[in-house]
Amino acid sequence: QKEVEQDPGPLSVPEGAIVSLNCTYSNSAFQYFMWYRQYSRKGPELLMYTYSSGNKEDGRFTAQVDKSSKYISLFIRDSQPSDSATYLCAMSAGGYQKVTFGTGTKLQVIP
Amino acid sequence: EAQVTQNPRYLITVTGKKLTVTCSQNMNHEYMSWYRQDPGLGLRQIYYSMNVEVTDKGDVPEGYKVSRKEKRNFPLILESPSPNQTSLYFCASGIGRNLGDRSPLHFGNGTRLTVT
Repeated sequence: QKEVEQDPGPLSVPEGAIVSLNCTYSNSAFQYFMWYRQYSRKGPELLMYTYSSGNKEDGRFTAQVDKSSKYISLFIRDSQPSDSATYLCAMSAGGYQKVTFGTGTKLQVIP
Repeated sequence: EAQVTQNPRYLITVTGKKLTVTCSQNMNHEYMSWYRQDPGLGLRQIYYSMNVEVTDKGDVPEGYKVSRKEKRNFPLILESPSPNQTSLYFCASGIGRNLGDRSPLHFGNGTRLTVT
């Protein structure tokens, strides 16, 4: 079993929809939770970062962490065609040297 | 502009022919690492370096070598490439202190390697 599980999609939604992306994990030591966005032919870039449990909001994006269920989510409100990308969840117990990534969910927002 | 630069972007080679993929960062970051990205497997760490002359194995180091002689450069060396090393490779760097939203991993734009 992988440490981090992420549905690969693809997920196709109409413009303006609310998008929910999820990851589950098995390592209780994870306490840093991140979402990276990767456009085609580009490297991943950090989108959201959360330490421990709770919610974090940044514009149209909300990241949620439920450590009791070992489940994290990224919500995108009012989705735009420019949100079309692959979204990678990432987690760490603390250091740079061991960041574990999910396999990524490919999202397409249709105008 | 702060960036991680990888070269080349695309590389086609034959089995057994030694190659080097270069990585350079201009942010004075202490931490650098190499990942490979494969469909269904995601990003997997090959090697990482916490500082100059300090390197360590990641999850999939077999068949790869690295060196960190200077802070800004972290080349990935495949001494005898094989077809199972066909992949998309990413170099990343970070400040090296606490992982956080002000100190994320910065990725290059990738090197697509094909070994025939």
